[in-house]
Parts: sequence; structure tokens; C-alpha cells
Amino acid sequence: QSVLTQSPSVSAAAGQKVTISCSGSGSNIENNYVSWYQQVPGTAPKLLIFDTNKRPSGIPDRFSGSKSGTSATLGITGLQTGDEADYYCGTWDNSLSAVVFGGGTKLTVL
Amino acid sequence: QVELQESGPGLVKPAGTLSLTCSVSGHSISRNYYWGWIRQPPGKGLEWIGAIYQSVITYYNPSLKSRVIISGDTSNNQFSLTLTSVTAADAATYYCARSQGPAFGGVIVAWGKGTTVTVSS
Repeated sequence: QSVLTQSPSVSAAAGQKVTISCSGSGSNIENNYVSWYQQVPGTAPKLLIFDTNKRPSGIPDRFSGSKSGTSATLGITGLQTGDEADYYCGTWDNSLSAVVFGGGTKLTVL
Repeated sequence: QVELQESGPGLVKPAGTLSLTCSVSGHSISRNYYWGWIRQPPGKGLEWIGAIYQSVITYYNPSLKSRVIISGDTSNNQFSLTLTSVTAADAATYYCARSQGPAFGGVIVAWGKGTTVTVSS
């Protein structure tokens, strides 16, 4: 059982926009930066978003992050088949003194 | 550019001890950043195990804390994971990683390729 809650799957057509949500609490998302990771099956996760809404060098601006209260959202526009992957949110939990992740959301591009 | 490479036995016996090492190139583990471990059981999500800072300060997942030690070897620019009393539930792909501290949400900024550990007699 993950500390952060994500929907197991989401799908959208190529070229469209999708949002992936991550729900937490006051001890984690509400008071800490959120990060997002993309994992193509069989490979290591890759950092997509850090500090809630910043993109590392090389990550296209089709990917965006935001937060409101105890929930965070990853947005992906102009969906491509190459975006098919599992997406995880993560943050620090002040009560646990630990990094916590969501259970992951599998994105299917139709 | 930092590179991380996990190494260690791919097979551990039940009730045994899992020991992995992460070799780091491109950045000294004694400078900045947290260095830690994340695991992923087959077909499941990510689980943070813990991290070490400047080979002294450690944070552990409370659910694993009683069985885990993360240590640093600055002379070889490596850090290690020791997990005791392993069971089938510990079978996973183990990733070593470089991360930022709690003030930055513990963001994992670099990952190793991962190493698969099987638990079987």
C-alpha cells in the first residue's frame, strides 16, 4: 500500500493531453516539493519533474507539473507513442522521515 | 556526468543477508547529495529503502529500518546496502541512486541501471 495514491492506468489518443494525479497528505505533498518519474518497462526510472514544476535539461515542455493542497498533477500534451510508460510521483514525508512514492500510473497512448 | 553501477550477488538464500554495492563515477560521494537505494519487486511499484549523506547521516524507510544498513566508502567512491533476514518479499530489482535531501523532496536525480535479486534456496 503506497503512501501516495495514483490511478493505476490512464489512456488517451496520440496528440491529445492527459493528466496523472497523485494524492497525499499534509505530511508529504502539501508541504514538500513533488517529483515525477517516467519508467519504460525494463529500464530504470527517469526524472521528469522536480521541485513540483521544474523540468530537468532535455525534458520537453510537453511535460508539466503542478500542485494544489495535498494533490499533485503531471500533465502531458501532444501525446506520442513513445510516452507509453509507467509514471510515478514522489516526495518527502515529514512524519516518516522518508521518501514516499505513488503506486504508479500506466499510460497507454491509443 | 555522474554514473552509478550496482553490483552484488543475484541470488540470496531465505533468512540470509543481501549485500549490494554501488560504484559511483563522475562525482565524489563525500560532496553534496544523498546516495541511496530504491527497489522494485517484479510487476510492482517503487519502494525507497534509504539514503546516506556524507557517509554519516542516514535515513531509512521505517518499514525496513530494523533490517537495513547503508554505508559509504569514500576511499573507493562507493556505497553499500546490507539487508538482513531476507524473505521472498525482498526479491526485486534494486537501484542505487543520487538524490537531493528532504528540503528538495528527496528527488532522485540519477539512477543506476538496476540489479535483480532473487531470494531462493
